[in-house]
Amino acid sequence: DAKTTQPNSMESNEEEPVHLPCNHSTISGTDYIHWYRQLPSQGPEYVIHGLTSNVNNRMASLAIAEDRKSSTLILHRATLRDAAVYYCILKNSGGSNYKLTFGKGTLLTVNP
Amino acid sequence: DSGVTQTPKHLITATGQRVTLRCSPRSGDLSVYWYQQSLDQGLQFLIQYYNGEERAKGNILERFSAQQFPDLHSELNLSSLELGDSALYFCASSVEGGRDPYNEQFFGPGTRLTVL
Repeated sequence: DAKTTQPNSMESNEEEPVHLPCNHSTISGTDYIHWYRQLPSQGPEYVIHGLTSNVNNRMASLAIAEDRKSSTLILHRATLRDAAVYYCILKNSGGSNYKLTFGKGTLLTVNP
Repeated sequence: DSGVTQTPKHLITATGQRVTLRCSPRSGDLSVYWYQQSLDQGLQFLIQYYNGEERAKGNILERFSAQQFPDLHSELNLSSLELGDSALYFCASSVEGGRDPYNEQFFGPGTRLTVL
């Protein structure tokens, strides 16, 4: 599986935007970029995914670099409920893409 | 609420024992995945079942086994338990067999296993 690199931790203030970076320099052309998050004492939950174009949904936006070697998850207005570990994961469109390979993720702290 | 249920929430047992963890996927989901989360190893994929058949295996020990029943619920059996098996065990489900890169997985709340 292609590897992703994320900062161990980030801090934000409530109601401010948060940009969570992810580097994936060995990404292949058929890898999709997925983001999941894990709130304290809960199972992971899907946030967003994309291939080449930027994506928006009700939870967040995903900005993908033109060369696809990095991406950024954007939370437009952080709330206390967004405090979680955020995982950036690559999933391939062929072969053994059945599983999610979680790295260490980024622990996001949101200050009131 | 993801729609995935897991029982029990907590399980405390002794070394050498055997336990069974249960998972009910979201209605309509055919795939069930099992993951283990421990402090030192993080979240690791164990095994996947799709419509009753084993689809993929990850870092699952030989002492562990799983199955998916005709009603699509799944059980993870852990035997000859060791202290190091203490962890959170998550079940996830998805609509398809996992071959599509965009299909999301829905995770249950987990079962916390403590082996004393």
